[in-house]
Amino acid sequence: GENVEQHPSTLSVQEGDSAVIKCTYSDSASNYFPWYKQELGKRPQLIIDIRSNVGEKKDQRIAVTLNKTAKHFSLHITETQPEDSAVYFCAASIRAGANNLFFGTGTRLTVIP
Amino acid sequence: KAGVTQTPRYLIKTRGQQVTLSCSPISGHRSVSWYQQTPGQGLQFLFEYFSETQRNKGNFPGRFSGRQFSNSRSEMNVSTLELGDSALYLCASSPLSSESTDTQYFGPGTRLTVL
Repeated sequence: GENVEQHPSTLSVQEGDSAVIKCTYSDSASNYFPWYKQELGKRPQLIIDIRSNVGEKKDQRIAVTLNKTAKHFSLHITETQPEDSAVYFCAASIRAGANNLFFGTGTRLTVIP
Repeated sequence: KAGVTQTPRYLIKTRGQQVTLSCSPISGHRSVSWYQQTPGQGLQFLFEYFSETQRNKGNFPGRFSGRQFSNSRSEMNVSTLELGDSALYLCASSPLSSESTDTQYFGPGTRLTVL
């Protein structure tokens, strides 16, 4: 099955700096890559996603890049704010027509004011 | 639209018992997936239902089962509970496609504690 690895497991940045979280996946058939943000005690919230026919996607301060050849994708958050502090999960979906996500192990991001 | 809802939000059971969790998807969503979240194993896929049919299943024992009703609401059942089943159980719903992977929206989860 699909295996998603995520790094780093923890990340601390100063407010205003950028944060980058990286994920790799094992199955070249994976075609959908969402990122979720989970605050303590709350549900995972989708923040951005990318499909395999696109190399980059941006939404205000958040961007995701995908390198299909290397089988890795990254989340970039610019101008970080304290409210960005949370656990971020990457995921990959291995098969079209089946909504089963394989998640990375999560990155705890702390933005220091 | 109302978001994904799950009931109950908290549950305490003892080993050997069984439990049923419920998930109501966003109106119009036909796909419901279930995930188990634990500190040690992270987020793991349990199964997915689409139009009342189980479309995909993760690597969990047969004690974990589910079903989906005609109104897209879904239930999952865990029989013969073990201590290791203590977890946050999340369901997620997706709009309508049967041919592509859709964005999934998560519910708040049911926190199950097995004593």
